[in-house]
Amino acid sequence: EVQLVESGGNLIQPGGSLRLSCAASGFTVSSNYMSWVRQAPGKGLEWVSVIYSSGSTYYADSVKGRFTISRDNSKNTLYLQMNSLRAEDTAVYYCARDNTSSVGGTFDYWGQGTLVTVSS
Amino acid sequence: DIQMTQSPSSLSASVGDRVTITCRASQSISSYLNWYQQKPGKAPKLLIYAASSLQSGVPSRFSGSGSGTDFTLTISSLQPEDLATYYCQQSFSLGTFGQGTKVEIK
Repeated sequence: EVQLVESGGNLIQPGGSLRLSCAASGFTVSSNYMSWVRQAPGKGLEWVSVIYSSGSTYYADSVKGRFTISRDNSKNTLYLQMNSLRAEDTAVYYCARDNTSSVGGTFDYWGQGTLVTVSS
Repeated sequence: DIQMTQSPSSLSASVGDRVTITCRASQSISSYLNWYQQKPGKAPKLLIYAASSLQSGVPSRFSGSGSGTDFTLTISSLQPEDLATYYCQQSFSLGTFGQGTKVEIK
């Protein structure tokens, strides 16, 4: 059974750093395109970042230069390192699997989400 | 960047009604269009991919159509469990979601 479990969300001050984890089971992270998608409180979905099976990475303009997506193949885990956090980064962060390896992603499995709150 | 515009932003319908949600892309995306359902407090769920293909396990009352820039999600007979927000998403280029359509039951 495919499962994605996020962790690492927390209350953090503006300018701080946080690393989110997404532990996968039932499939191999490195063989799939994997994305992070976030949702600010009461708002819609916003794609954040993707890592392709090749290792190539891409980011939304809103996080470029501040966030880094990576994976640990030995742990079958996806990460999102978030630096220089801002109040507008406050959101529930979901990891999601792309089952079609399409450029923009077709997300067939999602984690339960982890809440990041950026506030002083 | 490709912009996705959904309409309406919300709707209220009765059980058994036919419900239609539209999604328009700012440029042609062929059939690279997905639909998701998000129930309150839950993660999104893939309903339709490639504009018209039903994801495994999704009830057949859900259907999708369209290509190019104009797309439609139809619920043929609205059920109480369909209370949710529905999002379109283009997969032609790095991901963009529509702003969502909240479906309420009268």
